[in-house]
Amino acid sequence: NAGVTQTPKFQVLKTGQSMTLQCAQDMNHEYMSWYRQDPGMGLRLIHYSVGAGITDQGEVPNGYNVSRSTTEDFPLRLLSAAPSQTSVYFCASSYSSVNTGELFFGEGSRLTVL
Amino acid sequence: DQQVKQNSPSLSVQEGRISILNCDYTNSMFDYFLWYKKYPAEGPTFLISISSIKDKNEDGRFTVFLNKSAKHLSLHIVPSQPGDSAVYFCAASANYKLSFGAGTTVTVRA
Repeated sequence: NAGVTQTPKFQVLKTGQSMTLQCAQDMNHEYMSWYRQDPGMGLRLIHYSVGAGITDQGEVPNGYNVSRSTTEDFPLRLLSAAPSQTSVYFCASSYSSVNTGELFFGEGSRLTVL
Repeated sequence: DQQVKQNSPSLSVQEGRISILNCDYTNSMFDYFLWYKKYPAEGPTFLISISSIKDKNEDGRFTVFLNKSAKHLSLHIVPSQPGDSAVYFCAASANYKLSFGAGTTVTVRA
């Protein structure tokens, strides 16, 4: 059982480049979300989705886009990377469309923007 | 503005003793509170939770206490074991969004 799979695990970008962080879950979870972790800040919610075709903004959505065309996948797009987006990104999913908070996390993707 | 705050960035405790982690929140709309544990280079994993209608929840060595009037929750780990050395995040849920504290790094000394 793979759970939540994130790719790539590491990525280095130059300012202005674009990229997509992939996230897939095989647990048939309705709820999926993206967080970023920065020192002293904990995890901050970027975007979330309560089901296929439905997405909404979290606490820090600027500079990021998401889509949810299937239940399994929830990619995070950086359209024009900035050094402030250097962070560790976590994808997480939950079994219920009502977020009781018991999230299953991926292992994280470490992104460096030069 | 962080709605969930963990004011102690680190905690060192001797093996076998009690670890007490604290968390404060400001949003009275939070209806579910959770603790997550994180090892280096891994994603956080769910540890224990409590609904806003309760004041205590226990699971083995882990107990979470909620004081709604003070907007405060705590996690007790008894007895502390070397494998408990990790970063612990407090989190609170409202309206499909989960807000996290900055984390407390726990080190259990032999």
